[in-house]
Amino acid sequence: DSGVTQTPKHLITATGQRVTLRCSPRSGDLSVYWYQQSLDQGLQFLIQYYNGEERAKGNILERFSAQQFPDLHSELNLSSLELGDSALYFCASSVGVAGGRPYEQYFGPGTRLTVT
Amino acid sequence: AQTVTQSQPEMSVQEAETVTLSCTYDTSESDYYLFWYKQPPSRQMILVIRQEAYKQQNATENRFSVNFQKAAKSFSLKISDSQLGDAAMYFCAYRSGGYTGTASKLTFGTGTRLQVTL
Repeated sequence: DSGVTQTPKHLITATGQRVTLRCSPRSGDLSVYWYQQSLDQGLQFLIQYYNGEERAKGNILERFSAQQFPDLHSELNLSSLELGDSALYFCASSVGVAGGRPYEQYFGPGTRLTVT
Repeated sequence: AQTVTQSQPEMSVQEAETVTLSCTYDTSESDYYLFWYKQPPSRQMILVIRQEAYKQQNATENRFSVNFQKAAKSFSLKISDSQLGDAAMYFCAYRSGGYTGTASKLTFGTGTRLQVTL
């Protein structure tokens, strides 16, 4: 158990709909990362938040957005869903610059999204 | 941009034997980190081992060790005394050394599926 939690584990929804994925980082971790794992694209970085602020953006679609709240949990919002958005979405967390091994990322169990 | 290449889509090893998974990467940076993650059928991503580029000594974690060749940009994973529980997808990942912009992101290879047979 990495200490990173994600809900829900599975999500089935229809095209055009909007969903929210939730992530709670390990206790004390300030950075949250979102990754998408799909069959055709592999594992891709979407976005990073550090202590409530957006730090970096990767290959994230405009239909997708995220935020990190004061309690450090994060949400990834996916809207106008398409069949191609079906994937496993991972959240990862790291300590940030403050201490430990800030360069290590620990992953949650993922949310499997199926768009029908 | 950095790239990570895993040229072995699948590997097989007998229980108790040793197997080596290959990974090469391309970067112009001198400060970076390399990782191996394991993804079993449960789909959880588990950090297996890490290597800091500034360290010459190869990292070791129990039965897992790496062969880090910085000049050749090669980072292979050796699993000794393979166990049935080692069967999984293994991903090699690269992280830049900085903390600004997209430096903290992980760039993954396409993975190697390891089968462990009796």
